[in-house]
Amino acid sequence: DTEVTQTPKHLVMGMTNKKSLKCEQHMGHRAMYWYKQKAKKPPELMFVYSYEKLSINESVPSRFSPECPNSSLLNLHLHALQPEDSALYLCASSHQLEDTQYFGPGTRLTVL
Amino acid sequence: DAKTTQPTSMDCAEGRAANLPCNHSTISGNEYVYWYRQIHSQGPQYIIHGLKNNETNEMASLIITEDRKSSTLILPHATLRDTAVYYCIVRAAGGSGNTGKLIFGQGTTLQVKP
Repeated sequence: DTEVTQTPKHLVMGMTNKKSLKCEQHMGHRAMYWYKQKAKKPPELMFVYSYEKLSINESVPSRFSPECPNSSLLNLHLHALQPEDSALYLCASSHQLEDTQYFGPGTRLTVL
Repeated sequence: DAKTTQPTSMDCAEGRAANLPCNHSTISGNEYVYWYRQIHSQGPQYIIHGLKNNETNEMASLIITEDRKSSTLILPHATLRDTAVYYCIVRAAGGSGNTGKLIFGQGTTLQVKP
């Protein structure tokens, strides 16, 4: 089983809203990732967690706040986003950092 | 991680083999070649990876040249559902400072036609 789930599938929010994206895996993976994908562009890494600790932040603006409350769950808290933040947000997980990453279906975010 | 070069787009007839090339001339000895694909608006799907030897699984075959500077992903009998963007990615092996980064290039858009 290589399933990574993400909720919600779609999210529309205003620039003053606070919302969260959720990612879950039950494969016992200890590394989890957030990627952002703009339309017609490849995915770009945002954050990497290893053993529930943040190991990489790719200079992401502070209006994106990741959280890894346990080994199965990864959240992305959103606050004061801009319309240009509209994108597909992808979560992935891997057994360890050097192992194959498996992606979830993504959350399509629209910021109005 | 080494950079990869792929053709922007390719067509393939349904039922025929699709051969997707990838150049990675600066690959290091401890770097793997990974292939993912992304069907429209879905998450990337892992296909296969290899280090030196050719690899085959239920989805595809990966042929890596002896000098490791290029590789080819082969879908043996392409179907309409194989229409997707295919990404070739080079990344470090474990114990080599692998940070977990996957750096996606622009990929190859494969169109399978009836």
